[in-house]
Amino acid sequence: AAGVIQSPRHLIKEKRETATLKCYPIPRHDTVYWYQQGPGQDPQFLISFYEKMQSDKGSIPDRFSAQQFSDYHSELNMSSLELGDSALYFCASSLSLSPGLAGEQFFGPGTRLTVL
Amino acid sequence: QQQVKQSPQSLIVQKGGISIINCAYENTAFDYFPWYQQFPGKGPALLIAIRPDVSEKKEGRFTISFNKSAKQFSLHIMDSQPGDSATYFCAASSEGYSTLTFGKGTMLLVSP
Repeated sequence: AAGVIQSPRHLIKEKRETATLKCYPIPRHDTVYWYQQGPGQDPQFLISFYEKMQSDKGSIPDRFSAQQFSDYHSELNMSSLELGDSALYFCASSLSLSPGLAGEQFFGPGTRLTVL
Repeated sequence: QQQVKQSPQSLIVQKGGISIINCAYENTAFDYFPWYQQFPGKGPALLIAIRPDVSEKKEGRFTISFNKSAKQFSLHIMDSQPGDSATYFCAASSEGYSTLTFGKGTMLLVSP
């Protein structure tokens, strides 16, 4: 079965640089979520999109932005990177059971971002 | 403030034993409680989930017990195997599977 695809899998950046992470949801899934997981930490919700519109917002820094495109893939753009941004970034996708009722979330393999 | 409290932080169980991980939540609006299994460097994988209208759900060796009045739920892994060694996260959400709030995770080690 097709799973969530994330690219790149690993990314190394310098402080103050920018990074773009990409997420390709499971086919037919209409909702995408982004999570940040620090070392030894639980995943922290950043932002989500339903049918290309932002549906919820968590602890996402103002330096970060995201969007969902017409083909339902999503990109997380991170600017002015800081050392503390080093983490695993997960994308998850789900299929809405009905308008406003999201289905189970399936996670991708993650992108490991290292900021030097 | 941690909305979902998970314990223990780590757990060592012998092969064939029962692993038990507990979670407690504060927000009574939560109506969906999944458990995720995560191996190092991998994404969390949905293991089993429950809604408050049932008190127990079993899938193979994995069972969720749910106590709505106590606002607690737990994961039981029967006949634990070394391949079960991973980090387990409980989570909760409201309004129909929306944004997940995770517990801090439990590192399970099943010794051969």
